[in-house]
Amino acid sequence: EIVLTQSPATLSLSPGERATLSCRASQSVSSYLVWYQQKPGQAPRLLIYDASNRATGIPARFSGSGSGTDFTLTISSLEPEDFAVYYCQQRSNWPPITFGQGTRLEIK
Amino acid sequence: EVQLVESGGGLVQPGGSLRLSCAASGFTFTSYAMSWVRQAPGKGLEWVSTIGTSGGSTYYADSVKGRFTISRDNSKNTLHLQMNSLRAEDTAVYYCAKDGDLFTKWGQGTLVTVSS
Repeated sequence: EIVLTQSPATLSLSPGERATLSCRASQSVSSYLVWYQQKPGQAPRLLIYDASNRATGIPARFSGSGSGTDFTLTISSLEPEDFAVYYCQQRSNWPPITFGQGTRLEIK
Repeated sequence: EVQLVESGGGLVQPGGSLRLSCAASGFTFTSYAMSWVRQAPGKGLEWVSTIGTSGGSTYYADSVKGRFTISRDNSKNTLHLQMNSLRAEDTAVYYCAKDGDLFTKWGQGTLVTVSS
């Protein structure tokens, strides 16, 4: 089973700042790494697939990078609606499909 | 517009059974694998099960294997999850998700509570 470790667990930033979230895999997942955003009381929403491809309707301030075992989700300039929990997920080697434990992005 | 609407959640005693359903619309249901993902209260996301387009291929997390059964009715655009021998640790919001390993759309979820 591929274990995904996200860091930091919580990130405190202000609107307008740049956010950098990390996801590390226990073994290579090539580029098959996905990012989701989840707001309180809502279902997750697909943000980035296959490491760097923005999903339909996702603003350009969201970008993903990385390959192999190390991946990054970057939000270039935080908007108020971006404060949420972010999960990474691998789809390289399954079953099982695995998720990271999440990074909570909170307003400083 | 893609819509996924789950139903069937509720309170059940340990050892009991529950059947979840997910009504899909707005896309060609028969062309997509479908999945269930759950989230325990205050916790992260956990993949539960995936089914192929025809229903002939099914995959399960070890935590539910042998107790849960995923199925689909392509004539009714509906996905199901039969949950037997439920345990307290199965308490979660269960989400239906479009696609097999890349969850492009999620339902709003249905809460399953396993408690005596």
